[in-house]
Formats: sequence, structure tokens, C-alpha cells
Amino acid sequence: DAGVIQSPRHEVTEMGQEVTLRCKPISGHDYLFWYRQTMMRGLELLIYFNNNVPIDDSGMPEDRFSAKMPNASFSTLKIQPSEPRDSAVYFCASSLWGDRGLGANVLTFGAGSRLTVL
Amino acid sequence: GDSVTQMEGPVTLSEEAFLTINCTYTATGYPSLFWYVQYPGEGLQLLLKATKADDKGSNKGFEATYRKETTSFHLEKGSVQVSDSAVYFCALSPAGGFKTIFGAGTRLFVKA
Repeated sequence: DAGVIQSPRHEVTEMGQEVTLRCKPISGHDYLFWYRQTMMRGLELLIYFNNNVPIDDSGMPEDRFSAKMPNASFSTLKIQPSEPRDSAVYFCASSLWGDRGLGANVLTFGAGSRLTVL
Repeated sequence: GDSVTQMEGPVTLSEEAFLTINCTYTATGYPSLFWYVQYPGEGLQLLLKATKADDKGSNKGFEATYRKETTSFHLEKGSVQVSDSAVYFCALSPAGGFKTIFGAGTRLFVKA
């Protein structure tokens, strides 16, 4: 398996533009998580899905952020309109329920999408 | 709520020195505990884990023991290498839950 695939790796855009980040989880994994990493706030969980259904979006900072998972192999995180304070590295991670039989929810992360909003 | 506190960095060591990165947590019940490592330009990857009290996780010479009495999960390595330079994150996953909560991360620099 190629692991969790994220695109784009780098995105530079201007304030007010729409940004779409994409994620392909590991095949067979049934949980998908979106995290945001900044120097000031560290790693923040934005939203997670189970079997393509959003379970908890309490970490989504505001209505400008939305996430979808139309099928088991694809998810998007959209920011519209983007603002400079959205500049961060956005990570997607996936995990498998069955692994919890081992008593641990082990995450596999993608390489991240670095977003810069000017 | 649940939280993780780890020592601030950066930590700078010479090659072959002993490493300790402290981590304490606040959680109800018996969470699972993790150390993840992030190399420059990459995502986080699991280094080791422990799922119950007194469990010791180990990998690549790193070790950490789940101490319920002190709510700690300190990371140790007996002899660090330059290639260990990275950011290390302590994390917990609450019992019965699916969210993983991360500490702020500790950056480690190892000098040759």
C-alpha cells in the first residue's frame, strides 16, 4: 500500500480564494481524520469520519471550513474563503477499527499539505 | 478534558548521549498512550505504544513505560544518533474513544 496520499503538497493562494485539500486513505481503513498543525497551536483535530460518515466536527474552526468523504477512498477539506490565519500544514490520517482489538487506535499520517494564504 | 503535557524543546544532545523526553497526561480511565515521530517535511509516524498500565512500548532502541500512578509515559533512548533528530509527540487515545490528543511536540537535535 502506498500509504495515505495527500495533495497538493504545497499550496500558495491569496486571501479570499477557495482552497481544496485532498486525501486518499489506506485501503480498508474505516476511520479518517483531518488535523491542522501550526507553531502556535500544535496539532489540532478538525474532524473525523467513520465509514465515510462525519462523526465529530467540533474542531472545525468556523463555517468557512467544510469536509466531505464521498467514498471510502477519498476525502476533501475545503476552505472558502481562505484567510491568512488559515496558513498551516494540514494532515490527513487513517486508521482501522479492527486494530482497536489490540487496545490502541494507531494513526497512519499522510505527508501533509502546506497551505500559505497571502 | 483529556490532555497531554510534554517537555519543551528544543533538546540538543551529542551523539551517543542518553535521551529522556518527559510526558504526562490527564485522562479518565485507561487511555492508550503513544509516541509519534515527525521527520522534516514528513507526516507523523508511530514510534511506539502502550495500552495498559505497566506496559512497556519499544522500537528502534526507544522505550517508554505506561505509569498509571504518576500518569506518565516518558520516552528514553540509551544512545542517540544524528538520524534521531526529529520532533517527538506524546499522545493519548481515550479508553473507548477514537480521538487522539497530541502534546505540543519536542524537537530533538543530535550533534555528531
